[in-house]
Amino acid sequence: DQQVKQNSPSLSVQEGRISILNCDYTNSMFDYFLWYKKYPAEGPTFLISISSIKDKNEDGRFTVFLNKSAKHLSLHIVPSQPGDSAVYFCAAPLYGGSQGNLIFGKGTKLSVKP
Amino acid sequence: KAGVTQTPRYLIKTRGQQVTLSCSPISGHRSVSWYQQTPGQGLQFLFEYFSETQRNKGNFPGRFSGRQFSNSRSEMNVSTLELGDSALYLCASSMGLAGFYNEQFFGPGTRLTVL
Repeated sequence: DQQVKQNSPSLSVQEGRISILNCDYTNSMFDYFLWYKKYPAEGPTFLISISSIKDKNEDGRFTVFLNKSAKHLSLHIVPSQPGDSAVYFCAAPLYGGSQGNLIFGKGTKLSVKP
Repeated sequence: KAGVTQTPRYLIKTRGQQVTLSCSPISGHRSVSWYQQTPGQGLQFLFEYFSETQRNKGNFPGRFSGRQFSNSRSEMNVSTLELGDSALYLCASSMGLAGFYNEQFFGPGTRLTVL
């Protein structure tokens, strides 16, 4: 049973436009969510996070929105740049963030075309 | 500060063999977690070690095991390798402190191929 789902395996956008990556979760006990970015042959790198007490968190071009009632979060990248092309993973810690057991979605491969 | 390092980066083994992968966490980090990434299943949590003790375990068979040393370095072992064990094995380290989220920093991974 997938507790974190990313239903779009891939997304293609033009440079300068907005990229919206979506993530759904089923476990209502999750209270913290993260987005990681991964390039081929590298480990995932942390991008942005959001606590369940917030509905939005912004960091430069990246904004994460959380809709707890719908158990849905999204990552917005504005404007998108070719260097943003990577696989993006949505994740949540299973037993609270102090312990290292992240549950990941299967990822969305973003391609930003020049 | 040096990042998380994993050795070896690439490994080829045959079915039935065993393998040991190594992870050196960021200095000062006491928690080390291991993940398996495959095309079909994505990134899946294997286990986490904190202060030399396994603190959490994912849903993997007993062939997958690990340990952590007093300097926080960790190893994971897979015995009786199967073709399906071919994957990228990622290690992540964090402070592991209670009460708040501890960011996990990932290493580059070890690519294991089982023939």
